[in-house]
Amino acid sequence: EAQVTQNPRYLITVTGKKLTVTCSQNMNHEYMSWYRQDPGLGLRQIYYSMNVEVTDKGDVPEGYKVSRKEKRNFPLILESPSPNQTSLYFCASRGGTSGRTETQYFGPGTRLLVL
Amino acid sequence: AQSVTQPDIHITVSEGASLELRCNYSYGATPYLFWYVQSPGQGLQLLLKYFSGDTLVQGIKGFEAEFKRSQSSFNLRKPSVHWSDAAEYFCAVRGYGNEKLTFGTGTRLTIIP
Repeated sequence: EAQVTQNPRYLITVTGKKLTVTCSQNMNHEYMSWYRQDPGLGLRQIYYSMNVEVTDKGDVPEGYKVSRKEKRNFPLILESPSPNQTSLYFCASRGGTSGRTETQYFGPGTRLLVL
Repeated sequence: AQSVTQPDIHITVSEGASLELRCNYSYGATPYLFWYVQSPGQGLQLLLKYFSGDTLVQGIKGFEAEFKRSQSSFNLRKPSVHWSDAAEYFCAVRGYGNEKLTFGTGTRLTIIP
């Protein structure tokens, strides 16, 4: 079954304690992204990756890091989390040539609370 | 910079009535446009997408959207809503050869019997 998985699904942490949210896709997709969703703000892109070792900033990259060492994995790293990073996080991947043939999948989300 | 505006935060529609959700975008060239739906507590599902060609796009669950370049709009429509359509709907824009995807703030749809 084609899917994007995220772990953990729920996380409570404290300010300053480094954490990683993993994202994995089983579709051999080149493109992967991370988003955060906040009430009234919709989804905002944090980082995206166009292939292994190719990443770029989205609209809200401050306080986050990513890496893309393997095609299937795209972890999101919070080196020193702060309460304003409390949010719902989604990973997404897409494959196919841009346009009509492309397919997109979102993960189930990770709800993060930073105390 | 690209942007999306969804002017309606919340819309209430009677079951069986028609629906139109508004979306206006800003992008310097021909955009790729998307509508997603998010049911309560769920992830996002792609309803439909526009890339080029026919400006009326058909999607899943009986939804359609029309791209109007002159109005910079991509409104979502459904002729007859069902209670299961209650959800939040997001419009998004992306550029050709560009992975930067920008979402609107969403429209929450409530269905009343």
